[in-house]
Amino acid sequence: TQLLEQSPQFLSIQEGENLTVYCNSSSVFSSLQWYRQEPGEGPVLLVTVVTGGEVKKLKRLTFQFGDARKDSSLHITAAQPGDTGLYLCAGVQGAQKLVFGQGTRLTINP
Amino acid sequence: SQTIHQWPATLVQPVGSPLSLECTVEGTSNPNLYWYRQAAGRGLQLLFYSVGIGQISSEVPQNLSASRPQDRQFILSSKKLLLSDSGFYLCAWSVPGLGFIEQFFGPGTRLTVL
Repeated sequence: TQLLEQSPQFLSIQEGENLTVYCNSSSVFSSLQWYRQEPGEGPVLLVTVVTGGEVKKLKRLTFQFGDARKDSSLHITAAQPGDTGLYLCAGVQGAQKLVFGQGTRLTINP
Repeated sequence: SQTIHQWPATLVQPVGSPLSLECTVEGTSNPNLYWYRQAAGRGLQLLFYSVGIGQISSEVPQNLSASRPQDRQFILSSKKLLLSDSGFYLCAWSVPGLGFIEQFFGPGTRLTVL
């Protein structure tokens, strides 16, 4: 089974600061996804990256897929309290399954 | 539009009791269906997935089982719950045949085994 390691596991910063979270693996994935989960709810898909080196932007969020398709990063600019949540990366395994990282718990303090 | 339902939302059960969690999807046909378990604030562990009626793949050996009696219905069961079965159970669906998978998650069931 391919494994995804996310870092940091916990991050607490002040509103307006920038941050980056990482998702790393020793295995190659055909594509990789980022989800955000609020307490007591299911994860919601933010983005899918498919091509090595691909960069996607979603407002203040920038997602990058590593050239070798083994890692990804999520950068948030000028973090807001509404960005608080659990961020999960997930890699496509086989034809039908996702393997998830353990998540990064992000807290943005006003 | 597609929607996914899970019930119950919360459940407290004694050790050794049976379990039945239900998940239904509306607005799509022949979806891939998934059951995950999530420990508090952590990542998702895939338990079962199904690509069609009666077709169940098990990912982790355990005392849980899954069934898909209808195209858009996925059930997670246990004959005797263990303390370690406590967690947040999530059902998800995806459209089969895509080059990559986008999974849509239900609201989850919080199970506490005492």
